[in-house]
Amino acid sequence: EDQVTQSPEALRLQEGESSSLNCSYTVSGLRGLFWYRQDPGKGPEFLFTLYSAGEEKEKERLKATLTKKESFLHITAPKPEDSATYLCAVHIQGAQKLVFGQGTRLTINP
Amino acid sequence: DTGVSQDPRHKITKRGQNVTFRCDPISEHNRLYWYRQTLGQGPEFLTYFQNEAQLEKSRLLSDRFSAERPKGSFSTLEIQRTEQGDSAMYLCASSKYRDIVDTEAFFGQGTRLTVV
Repeated sequence: EDQVTQSPEALRLQEGESSSLNCSYTVSGLRGLFWYRQDPGKGPEFLFTLYSAGEEKEKERLKATLTKKESFLHITAPKPEDSATYLCAVHIQGAQKLVFGQGTRLTINP
Repeated sequence: DTGVSQDPRHKITKRGQNVTFRCDPISEHNRLYWYRQTLGQGPEFLTYFQNEAQLEKSRLLSDRFSAERPKGSFSTLEIQRTEQGDSAMYLCASSKYRDIVDTEAFFGQGTRLTVV
């Protein structure tokens, strides 16, 4: 069964303290891996798409990387406004849906 | 604003009533998706349209749920005889499919349904 697992479930950091969020996946065939940010009460906001192992994408303080089994979202010198839930999703070959992980709730304390 | 638009943002209904939600996708997007999200969980796929054709439905979509996308533009999701377990955020997303490549899906702000 196709599965996406994110860890940790929740993470508290001090402003400026860099860290990484993990997304591990077990799927029959990967067409793409997506990272979204979600603020409370709002819909997910698109961040990155990764298609093949070794690929990296960057946006401001965020950098996403992909291997054959997992993806990492690295956050460098985070600010309080980076506090949100970060969702990972995979697009599986032969299906037109995204399978989401449960998310990592990130809190950045000033 | 040219993003995905959902209406209403919030809906409170009594158990047993019918509700209908609307989604207006990004205008050039030919794919439209409905997802459901409960507190603390990631979104779960419900159904998907390419243009006006409903091509995939999840087992989560019981016979009380129906979705339409007339003329391949906006979409509606109807829930009949609502139950308390239907309380969730209902999210709509759209994407553009061209040359066998899917672009990223953009989500609306969601409709928060509370069944009392």
